[in-house]
Amino acid sequence: KAGVTQTPRYLIKTRGQQVTLSCSPISGHRSVSWYQQTPGQGLQFLFEYFSETQRNKGNFPGRFSGRQFSNSRSEMNVSTLELGDSALYLCASSFEQGALNEQFFGPGTRLTVL
Amino acid sequence: DQQVKQNSPSLSVQEGRISILNCDYTNSMFDYFLWYKKYPAEGPTFLISISSIKDKNEDGRFTVFLNKSAKHLSLHIVPSQPGDSAVYFCAARGFPTGNQFYFGTGTSLTVIP
Repeated sequence: KAGVTQTPRYLIKTRGQQVTLSCSPISGHRSVSWYQQTPGQGLQFLFEYFSETQRNKGNFPGRFSGRQFSNSRSEMNVSTLELGDSALYLCASSFEQGALNEQFFGPGTRLTVL
Repeated sequence: DQQVKQNSPSLSVQEGRISILNCDYTNSMFDYFLWYKKYPAEGPTFLISISSIKDKNEDGRFTVFLNKSAKHLSLHIVPSQPGDSAVYFCAARGFPTGNQFYFGTGTSLTVIP
């Protein structure tokens, strides 16, 4: 069974631009969560989607948004990029919402904002 | 506000010895704790977990201890192997904050052959 895939793996943008990241969960998984990883803050929860609905949201500004499609694939969008948005963005999938030890992470998208 | 803290950014241990990774949390409502391991260029992978109703969970070479009164958990790896070299994250699930996971900043473990 294929794992969680994220595209693109690397991305370079400039301040003020917007970016869309994609996550394809493991086949059959219906929940997708997004995290931002930075050296000083560790992994910070962005949001969780289940059955195309946002179920939980972390403490991030409205510039960060996401959506989930009927095939459970998810996209995350960041508008008006800032230098501080440079980070590794990880998505994780699980069969059920908020599943505990059955949450599988993708390799991440490394975003650099210049 | 960092609700889950790993105060040691790095740890070096000789092969065969015990590795002890520590994690502290501030929210007494957390009901489930997990440890993840992360290799470079890969996403974190689940390692071991513990419910707040227990104080110890063991899985092979890995044991997690939970001290609720001190709001502290630790991961013991015995014996440590070079393949254990990775970044280890502890995470906690909050209730009633829902199914949101709070992660620590990670501890980079190096096991020296």
